[in-house]
Amino acid sequence: GAVVSQHPSRVICKSGTSVKIECRSLDFQATTMFWYRQFPKQSLMLMATSNEGSKATYEQGVEKDKFLINHASLTLSTLTVTSAHPEDSSFYICSASPGGGPLTTGELFFGEGSRLTVL
Amino acid sequence: GDSVTQMEGPVTLSEEAFLTINCTYTATGYPSLFWYVQYPGEGLQLLLKATKADDKGSNKGFEATYRKETTSFHLEKGSVQVSDSAVYFCALSPPGGTYKYIFGTGTRLKVLA
Repeated sequence: GAVVSQHPSRVICKSGTSVKIECRSLDFQATTMFWYRQFPKQSLMLMATSNEGSKATYEQGVEKDKFLINHASLTLSTLTVTSAHPEDSSFYICSASPGGGPLTTGELFFGEGSRLTVL
Repeated sequence: GDSVTQMEGPVTLSEEAFLTINCTYTATGYPSLFWYVQYPGEGLQLLLKATKADDKGSNKGFEATYRKETTSFHLEKGSVQVSDSAVYFCALSPPGGTYKYIFGTGTRLKVLA
């Protein structure tokens, strides 16, 4: 199946610094990628939809100035957590689909996830 | 709005036991249904899927049948192994393919040798 890769898999940073997480589709082009946040022992919460060449669409309650998303190419989306604080510590997961445009049977491929710890 | 409800875990079974993880959904129209598995420290992997009523998805001994009449997509496996220990997520994709999946809360499975 299609491969989505995230980097870094783990990152520890000091409070107040910014952290960038990359999400790459390795063997397909993705006009749309998704960013999720997962709290311990909980489900995935969709944070935003990353659109290549345009602004990301954020879900209600997600601070767009806090979580900057850039989708610079058809194979790369980045999530930057700005001025990180301990409450931002979480597992961040991205996903993408090889399909372009709406499909009736969408299948998403997920990255390995990135664990952020803010001290 | 659309939603997915999973049975709460954790579920602890002995090796070779029968597994059922219940999943029901609420949606307009005919969504696609998925089961994803997450191993510790990893992202999600697609386990199986079904795209229309009465479809049966199957993979690695796991099965789930899309039941429109009961709005369910229960996951089953006849004989679990220790390596099946993971968190299982039921999810739906609304009709029209927006990719805005809706996930259940996940069910943690622990299989003991």
